[in-house]
Amino acid sequence: DTEVTQTPKHLVMGMTNKKSLKCEQHMGHRAMYWYKQKAKKPPELMFVYSYEKLSINESVPSRFSPECPNSSLLNLHLHALQPEDSALYLCASSLARFSTDTQYFGPGTRLTVL
Amino acid sequence: DAKTTQPNSMESNEEEPVHLPCNHSTISGTDYIHWYRQLPSQGPEYVIHGLTSNVNNRMASLAIAEDRKSSTLILHRATLRDAAVYYCILQGGTSYGKLTFGQGTILTVHP
Repeated sequence: DTEVTQTPKHLVMGMTNKKSLKCEQHMGHRAMYWYKQKAKKPPELMFVYSYEKLSINESVPSRFSPECPNSSLLNLHLHALQPEDSALYLCASSLARFSTDTQYFGPGTRLTVL
Repeated sequence: DAKTTQPNSMESNEEEPVHLPCNHSTISGTDYIHWYRQLPSQGPEYVIHGLTSNVNNRMASLAIAEDRKSSTLILHRATLRDAAVYYCILQGGTSYGKLTFGQGTILTVHP
């Protein structure tokens, strides 16, 4: 099973809402990632977790709050987002963080902020 | 991070070979060359990677120049399903899993 699942597929939220994105993998991977992709642009890394600990935060605003409750699950909590945060949010996982490790991506959650 | 340069777009006909180039003149000795592709409305998927020698797998071949300053992803017989954005990414020993995507090459495959 080389699948990364993400829920929900689509999410519409207002600027005052709080919502969460969920990502799950059962490949025994110990590194998990959040990327943001605006329309017609390449994905941009947001966060990296390694062994359930936050390793990299690419200067992401605090209205995005990641959480890794266990080795299979990664959440992204959203609060007080802006319309410019509308994007495709991609989750990925890899065995570890070596330069030869393949990242497996989920299909993404398409977020619209009104 | 070392940078890659790819053509914005390329076109191919179905069942013909496709050669997608990538320039990476500032590559360091420990940088691996990775290729990912993103089909419409999907997340990126891994295609192939290599360090110095040419590599083959069931999806594609990767030809790496002797000086490692460029590489070419080869799709031996393009299908309509291969229409995607192809990203060439360098990943070195100090990147710790960071994938820095460039603009990529949009491949259009004509029937």
